[in-house]
Amino acid sequence: QKEVEQDPGPLSVPEGAIVSLNCTYSNSAFQYFMWYRQYSRKGPELLMYTYSSGNKEDGRFTAQVDKSSKYISLFIRDSQPSDSATYLCAMRRSGGSNYKLTFGKGTLLTVNP
Amino acid sequence: DAGVIQSPRHEVTEMGQEVTLRCKPISGHDYLFWYRQTMMRGLELLIYFNNNVPIDDSGMPEDRFSAKMPNASFSTLKIQPSEPRDSAVYFCASSFYKGAGEQYFGPGTRLTVT
Repeated sequence: QKEVEQDPGPLSVPEGAIVSLNCTYSNSAFQYFMWYRQYSRKGPELLMYTYSSGNKEDGRFTAQVDKSSKYISLFIRDSQPSDSATYLCAMRRSGGSNYKLTFGKGTLLTVNP
Repeated sequence: DAGVIQSPRHEVTEMGQEVTLRCKPISGHDYLFWYRQTMMRGLELLIYFNNNVPIDDSGMPEDRFSAKMPNASFSTLKIQPSEPRDSAVYFCASSFYKGAGEQYFGPGTRLTVT
């Protein structure tokens, strides 16, 4: 079993839809959870991060972490064609000097105008 | 801040040649990471440094790959000799030890080995 599983999609939605992107993980030591957006032929760009369980909102984006289920989500409200990209989840343990991130393989999202 | 800088952006070389990729991390960041991204395997961590010291190189695929960080503002990833299966996009990322340790990525080097 991989440490982080992410459905690769592709996911295609109409403009204005609510998008839900998800990752599951197996390592209960993960405490920091991040979402990256990667446009075609660009480097991953950090969208947001959360610590432990709970929700975090930033504009149209909401990140949720459910540690009991080992499940994280990213919701995009009022999706726009400019949101079309690959979304990668990433996570790491806390404490010590372990700053290594474990990434999902990414979900390709297309928002159609 | 200019962000993480990588060069070259594209590299096309013949099998057997030496390839050197370069990275300048964000000023003040004390962690530097080298990744490789392919469609099949996604984003793979090759090696990372803390304060210029290699911490974990378990992701380096074989002895043909080597990485150095001679100072806080420069790192290289070298492949010698290169093979067609090394074709991928190579990313450098840096982070600060405080907070979530979120990593900031460079634009990548697209390597094609023919």
